[in-house]
Amino acid sequence: GQNIDQPTEMTATEGAIVQINCTYQTSGFNGLFWYQQHAGEAPTFLSYNVLDGLEEKGRFSSFLSRSKGYSYLLLKELQMKDSASYLCAVKDSNYQLIWGAGTKLIIKP
Amino acid sequence: DAMVIQNPRYQVTQFGKPVTLSCSQTLNHNVMYWYQQKSSQAPKLLFHYYDKDFNNEADTPDNFQSRRPNTSFCFLDIRSPGLGDAAMYLCATSRDAGGGETQYFGPGTRLLVL
Repeated sequence: GQNIDQPTEMTATEGAIVQINCTYQTSGFNGLFWYQQHAGEAPTFLSYNVLDGLEEKGRFSSFLSRSKGYSYLLLKELQMKDSASYLCAVKDSNYQLIWGAGTKLIIKP
Repeated sequence: DAMVIQNPRYQVTQFGKPVTLSCSQTLNHNVMYWYQQKSSQAPKLLFHYYDKDFNNEADTPDNFQSRRPNTSFCFLDIRSPGLGDAAMYLCATSRDAGGGETQYFGPGTRLLVL
């Protein structure tokens, strides 16, 4: 079967850095997405990785290792508004998006 | 601004009473998706349209139906809602279905079944 694993919950301090990991086992790979979802709201797109390496976009960066089936989302200079769930999703060989259950990130002052 | 719009944002229905949720988009995207998401769970794809071609997920209950009368609009019909159908329903669009195509979500409709 296809599987995406992420930690259920993480806590970090305002101003700090946090890394949210995602491992995946899918039939085929056509890219990995990270979405942010605030409570009661819809997911919003953060990043897309299809090649190995680091993609940087402001305070957020996303890394991919296809050989390890592994990605992480790095959030720097954490702000209270970054408190949200972060969902990892992989497109499989049929271009279907397989979703993780999300990591709830709690930011403390 | 180009966007995905869902109405209503909150819907209350009674057990067994049919309900329709609507989604519209101004992005002119070819693909429209309906997801169901329950608390602290991953979004679950119910079905999607590539243009007018309907694609039903194998485990989507028959209770759920969809219509896409034109490029801009897509509807989710729940014929006989049960208590287990209470969830957030998310509509998403993408320009195409390929690897790098991002899905853009509407704000969602939260369905409550009494």
